[in-house]
Amino acid sequence: QQQVKQSPQSLIVQKGGISIINCAYENTAFDYFPWYQQFPGKGPALLIAIRPDVSEKKEGRFTISFNKSAKQFSLHIMDSQPGDSATYFCAASMIPPNQGGKLIFGQGTELSVKP
Amino acid sequence: NAGVTQTPKFRVLKTGQSMTLLCAQDMNHEYMYWYRQDPGMGLRLIHYSVGEGTTAKGEVPDGYNVSRLKKQNFLLGLESAAPSQTSVYFCASSWDRANTGELFFGEGSRLTVL
Repeated sequence: QQQVKQSPQSLIVQKGGISIINCAYENTAFDYFPWYQQFPGKGPALLIAIRPDVSEKKEGRFTISFNKSAKQFSLHIMDSQPGDSATYFCAASMIPPNQGGKLIFGQGTELSVKP
Repeated sequence: NAGVTQTPKFRVLKTGQSMTLLCAQDMNHEYMYWYRQDPGMGLRLIHYSVGEGTTAKGEVPDGYNVSRLKKQNFLLGLESAAPSQTSVYFCASSWDRANTGELFFGEGSRLTVL
């Protein structure tokens, strides 16, 4: 019930292509869904987040699509660049962290964008 | 801007030894967290704190203890290290006035238990 399942585990995309990472959850009480980006040797950093009252959120080349009925959400990276090569984590929580909530993370996706 | 600072960055222990990881944040955040990161497992919450003097268990608390005696510091202790605790440990903090819910992470502490 508390798990967030992420796929694929690794992804190779050509420069300029679209990268798509998917996540699924079971607990319908989750109401905050962020994506974090992690570069080698660094800690994760917030990339973009969505709440279930909207079906899509876009920030630059990054878009979250949210399907509440299917309990799934995904990250789309348009015009992928070599600098996007990193590990991406989806996450979910019932209360946002700024209110003391606990984030449950997916397993991570290692993205490699080839020049 | 220091943000979240973890010490030490690397440590090698023998089975049965004890150690403490220190996390310090200078953002006046109320909430602090300890995660461990293992290949294929993502980030798993060990313990967390919702304010000075408070601690609570996360997903994988066994074998670890924590303390939050000062608001800016969150300590993670291993009383008797085991090889299964070989991992990269991340501390994070949060209290975002803008309500983005963002966690701010340190750069990690890599622990190897032989």
